[in-house]
Amino acid sequence: GENVEQHPSTLSVQEGDSAVIKCTYSDSASNYFPWYKQELGKRPQLIIDIRSNVGEKKDQRIAVTLNKTAKHFSLHITETQPEDSAVYFCAARGNFGNEKLTFGTGTRLTIIP
Amino acid sequence: GAVVSQHPSRVICKSGTSVKIECRSLDFQATTMFWYRQFPKQSLMLMATSNEGSKATYEQGVEKDKFLINHASLTLSTLTVTSAHPEDSSFYICSAPFGASGYNEQFFGPGTRLTVL
Repeated sequence: GENVEQHPSTLSVQEGDSAVIKCTYSDSASNYFPWYKQELGKRPQLIIDIRSNVGEKKDQRIAVTLNKTAKHFSLHITETQPEDSAVYFCAARGNFGNEKLTFGTGTRLTIIP
Repeated sequence: GAVVSQHPSRVICKSGTSVKIECRSLDFQATTMFWYRQFPKQSLMLMATSNEGSKATYEQGVEKDKFLINHASLTLSTLTVTSAHPEDSSFYICSAPFGASGYNEQFFGPGTRLTVL
């Protein structure tokens, strides 16, 4: 089955700086890679996703890059703000749609004012 | 957008009792739903895939006789934790896929916090 590794487990950055979280996956058949933000006691919220037919996707301060050859993808948050503090999870899934998501272990991001 | 609800949001029960958690897709139909368990400071671990009209598919290590799943309609899946014990205390989250064919996004319920005394 799929195995997703995520690093770092914790990350602290000064407000205004950039944050980068990296994930690797094992199943070359995986084609969909979402990123979720989860605040304490709340459901995961999709913040950005990327499919295997593109190498990069950007949405305002958030971007995701994908390297299918190396089987890794990364989340980039620029101009970080205190409200970016949360736990972030990457995930991987086949492209069929109903296939299960495999989650990374999570990164606790703290933005230091 | 697609909305998934869960009920109850919190439940406290005594050891040995059973607890039922409902997951509903409010504005779309879901032939498949997923049940996750999340322990404090850990990731979401898939427990099982709930299939409408057929048996659930359980992940390795998840006891199907302890975690009963019923997907009786296209908008409702239930997870029953039978003979709950303190080690079953966790945050249980369901999700359902929705979107254009082949490009489904997973929509998560708000979660159920189970505390077993």
